[in-house]
Amino acid sequence: GEDVEQSLFLSVREGDSSVINCTYTDSSSTYLYWYKQEPGAGLQLLTYIFSNMDMKQDQRLTVLLNKKDKHLSLRIADTQTGDSAIYFCAEMDSSYKLIFGSGTRLLVRP
Amino acid sequence: KAGVTQTPRYLIKTRGQQVTLSCSPISGHRSVSWYQQTPGQGLQFLFEYFSETQRNKGNFPGRFSGRQFSNSRSEMNVSTLELGDSALYLCASSLDGTSGGAESGELFFGEGSRLTVL
Repeated sequence: GEDVEQSLFLSVREGDSSVINCTYTDSSSTYLYWYKQEPGAGLQLLTYIFSNMDMKQDQRLTVLLNKKDKHLSLRIADTQTGDSAIYFCAEMDSSYKLIFGSGTRLLVRP
Repeated sequence: KAGVTQTPRYLIKTRGQQVTLSCSPISGHRSVSWYQQTPGQGLQFLFEYFSETQRNKGNFPGRFSGRQFSNSRSEMNVSTLELGDSALYLCASSLDGTSGGAESGELFFGEGSRLTVL
């Protein structure tokens, strides 16, 4: 079945760039998503990319998609302490439901 | 406009009991999905309802069930609770989750109902 994998933890210094990586298995995924979850809250959509795109930039966020390797990454420029959260990668499967990764906990050190 | 509302936010049950969780979607949204979030398993899809019909189902036992009302509000029920059912249950609504378009497929999540089974 479909599977989405992410590293569990990332620690960066404030002001540096953060790169969160994700691999997925369903090559028919049309959309791939990045969601953010802050403590005690639900998930919030950060950005998404259509599968025929290689890159999408949205302010401090850059999404790179390597469809051949089924690899997705999220780069956060000038990371701030408010960016500390869990980041989930998700793919939309053939039955249009989202399959989430296990989440990457980002810790931003002052 | 108001976001997705889940009630109750926190609850404690004992093994063998049953629980009902409620979700009110964003006004105008017709699709409601439920997810279980645990530290070990991450986010696992439970089911999705659209126009009062279950349209998608994950790999959970029959103890987990749900329904959707004509006003799109949804409830999920877990019977014969087990310790392993302790989790954060998240509800998400969207305009229409099956169109495949990111805009209409975007999920808006509630803050979740945290269930502890003792």
